[in-house]
Amino acid sequence: SAVISQKPSRDICQRGTSLTIQCQVDSQVTMMFWYRQQPGQSLTLIATANQGSEATYESGFVIDKFPISRPNLTFSTLTVSNMSPEDSSIYLCSVRVDTEAFFGQGTRLTVV
Amino acid sequence: AQTVTQSQPEMSVQEAETVTLSCTYDTSESNYYLFWYKQPPSRQMILVIRQEAYKQQNATENRFSVNFQKAAKSFSLKISDSQLGDTAMYFCAFMGTRSGNTGKLIFGQGTTLQVKP
Repeated sequence: SAVISQKPSRDICQRGTSLTIQCQVDSQVTMMFWYRQQPGQSLTLIATANQGSEATYESGFVIDKFPISRPNLTFSTLTVSNMSPEDSSIYLCSVRVDTEAFFGQGTRLTVV
Repeated sequence: AQTVTQSQPEMSVQEAETVTLSCTYDTSESNYYLFWYKQPPSRQMILVIRQEAYKQQNATENRFSVNFQKAAKSFSLKISDSQLGDTAMYFCAFMGTRSGNTGKLIFGQGTTLQVKP
């Protein structure tokens, strides 16, 4: 199994600013995943972060808007840049261990 | 591309009754994993049950069981003896195993379940 600590749990930010979300895992994992959950919606994968290489972004998501760092096998950050109200969502990080996915507690972001 | 569809946006059930949540999916892979996750208002994603596609036997976890129909690409969740704590949003999810598939999940739209006292 894996335990993921995600910070912050929530934040209210001004439009035009950036927020960095952190995820710390209690074990070494190859891949970390970042998801977005818009209000009342399902989870959509933003990108897959592999240690030592650039993240792989899904269609509709770009590195300039959602830069990701993966400095080691237990840690990753997602930055939401130049925020607008449309970025108000829950952001979740996730890891895969064997055939199971584990999730952080999520970051509820509100952009005003 | 794989897709997951949950056609029931909202459902309700009386406490102690049984409810079934529906999920269909589409894939060309022969081996994969299917999951049901529960998301209460706390936002935490909680794994309810997992099914491996190559296993014919339906998975069961206490009050939760699935009806996995591989040919029909159907994966429904049955909750028996519903409890107030089962109130949450439930997501059906798919994970492929093909080479290059890193373990990302594809989620359905979700079903909000309310258990009524």
